[in-house]
Amino acid sequence: SYVLTQPPSVSVAPGQTARITCGGNNIGSKSVHWYQQKPGQAPMLVVYDDSDRPSGIPERFSGSNSGNTATLTISRVEAGDEADYYCQVWDSSSDHVEVFGPGTKVTVL
Amino acid sequence: EVQLVESGGGVVRPGGSLRLSCAASGFTFDDYGMSWVRQAPGKGLEWVSSINWNGGSTGYADSVKGRFTISRDNAKNSLYLEMNSLRAEDTAFYYCARYLVTPGAFDIWGQGTMVTVSS
Repeated sequence: SYVLTQPPSVSVAPGQTARITCGGNNIGSKSVHWYQQKPGQAPMLVVYDDSDRPSGIPERFSGSNSGNTATLTISRVEAGDEADYYCQVWDSSSDHVEVFGPGTKVTVL
Repeated sequence: EVQLVESGGGVVRPGGSLRLSCAASGFTFDDYGMSWVRQAPGKGLEWVSSINWNGGSTGYADSVKGRFTISRDNAKNSLYLEMNSLRAEDTAFYYCARYLVTPGAFDIWGQGTMVTVSS
């Protein structure tokens, strides 16, 4: 089965840039989606298909994907960005399953 | 307003059964594939099952295959998850989620319903 890896935590000062990675074998050939989840809330889609943003998501959220690593970048980090972030792909190689990464806790210092 | 509302969660004994429901509103339900995603307390997200727009194609995580059944009733704008032979490790919040495109990203999520499997 396809496995995604993420750093358990990322810390960033307000106004700086946070980069959250999502690793997987040849993940650059897949479409990667990113979710933000705050405590007690349902996940919210922030980036889909590697780098597209749903309506209402600030331009500060951007994504890229190449080789074995996809990256979610949060520019000009705000206190409200503190949350867990999950990446997700569709694994077409094994009976059409969706795969989530283990999640990254972003802490705003 | 586009909305998904789950119901049917509760406490059940190991080996028991439960049926979750998800009521959709604010969009044309049968235009979209749907999924169930769960999250054990303090843990990450785990995809459980998906179904295409007309119910003709379904998929399951290995952890639930043979025990859970996903279905939908487009006339009632509803998604279901029939859960049998429940285990302690099935304890989790269960979210209903809408596919933006099937397969792909989940653009709309419900608030979840809690399932606790305990004796």
